[in-house]
Amino acid sequence: QSALTQPASVSGSPGQSITISCTGTSSDVGGYNYVSWFQQHPGKAPQLMVYEVSNRPSGVSNRFSGSKSDNTASLTISGLQAEDEADYYCSSFTSSTTLVFGTGTKVSVL
Amino acid sequence: EVQLLESGGGLVQPGGSLRLSCAASGFTFSRYAMSWVRQAPGEGLEWVSTITDSGGTTYNADSVKGRFTISRDNSKNALYLQMNSLRAEDTAVYYCAKPVVGILRGNFDYWGRGTLVTVSS
Repeated sequence: QSALTQPASVSGSPGQSITISCTGTSSDVGGYNYVSWFQQHPGKAPQLMVYEVSNRPSGVSNRFSGSKSDNTASLTISGLQAEDEADYYCSSFTSSTTLVFGTGTKVSVL
Repeated sequence: EVQLLESGGGLVQPGGSLRLSCAASGFTFSRYAMSWVRQAPGEGLEWVSTITDSGGTTYNADSVKGRFTISRDNSKNALYLQMNSLRAEDTAVYYCAKPVVGILRGNFDYWGRGTLVTVSS
């Protein structure tokens, strides 16, 4: 199972909106609504930001939103803040009854 | 408060074995499937293994199939990962993770701090 494809880096200025893509196939992202997004700061454990494509856990800012179209899922961060600078990973259930993560995206706040 | 605390990591020679443990508290452990996720130094996240709430069924990544065994003891609120035939590429921080609900949905809302496994001679 190959990793889902994410851009290596995305950047934006404070207050702007950015979108991170996560591209898979019909056997994973496109076939199921079990896509999650995680934020990871250096040296820390990942934190769940969005699950089942567009659901936010309690406590996660509504500046984070998720969506999906065909084989590509997306995470949008609106009103970008300095604290959003981190690595972001997507994940998806697969038809092989496994879980696959994305390659990861480094978000920089300019 | 939900807490997951991994232990058992360390330095091991190629071909060796190691057993990781994850002590869970703050939730009804026996009601949740549990997973191990690893992260090699400077690399991304990689799913390793998942076990159902009862322990009756396990799922493993191809990269560890036949070498790693996930298990649990619901009476002790503990999750384990027995790692055999270790390779250099198994070097990583290993995280224990709890889902919001379900199994293999990747919706891990709680993670431990991780335990570092280094495979080297």
